[in-house]
Amino acid sequence: RKEVEQDPGPFNVPEGATVAFNCTYSNSASQSFFWYRQDCRKEPKLLMSVYSSGNEDGRFTAQLNRASQYISLLIRDSKLSDSATYLCVVSPRSKFYFGSGTKLNVKP
Amino acid sequence: GAVVSQHPSRVICKSGTSVKIECRSLDFQATTMFWYRQFPKQSLMLMATSNEGSKATYEQGVEKDKFLINHASLTLSTLTVTSAHPEDSSFYICSAQTPGGSNEKLFFGSGTQLSVL
Repeated sequence: RKEVEQDPGPFNVPEGATVAFNCTYSNSASQSFFWYRQDCRKEPKLLMSVYSSGNEDGRFTAQLNRASQYISLLIRDSKLSDSATYLCVVSPRSKFYFGSGTKLNVKP
Repeated sequence: GAVVSQHPSRVICKSGTSVKIECRSLDFQATTMFWYRQFPKQSLMLMATSNEGSKATYEQGVEKDKFLINHASLTLSTLTVTSAHPEDSSFYICSAQTPGGSNEKLFFGSGTQLSVL
């Protein structure tokens, strides 16, 4: 079983739509959780950490459900510039496991 | 955020040559760095974990004699692809882990596109 599982998509949505991604993880000892964004042929960039209480950064909301071992990312009012691959990252101490990424295409 | 510098960004080389890729943490000390490989339209694949002052830990299926990793200082790790062949052509990315207990984060270099002819 993979450490981190994500729906690869693609998610094709119109501008202004709300879209949500989920990611499940297998290691219950995982301590840190992140969402990264990766554009084609570029390095991943940290989008946001995910905290137990949930957290929001502008149009982006991340949530963690430890009981069910999943994290989510909600993007509101999608922009064309949000088109990218979103990577879920889970970290037990000092080791980072990546999901395969979910591709988002925002259409005009 | 923290800055990780990776060099070179692109390499084109002949089959059989060796290629060295450098990864530097510019504004923090990284005891641990990671090396990934990514083929087109595929996810990041962890190749090895590089620990300062000790041998790297390689993931299953990654040849340690083929991909030499050296982490001689707290700010520099190098990956050398020895005797590169066309099947080694890929996007290689390094990342460095910021120190900080539960606040550890991962920052990436800009990647190296290796093309072996």
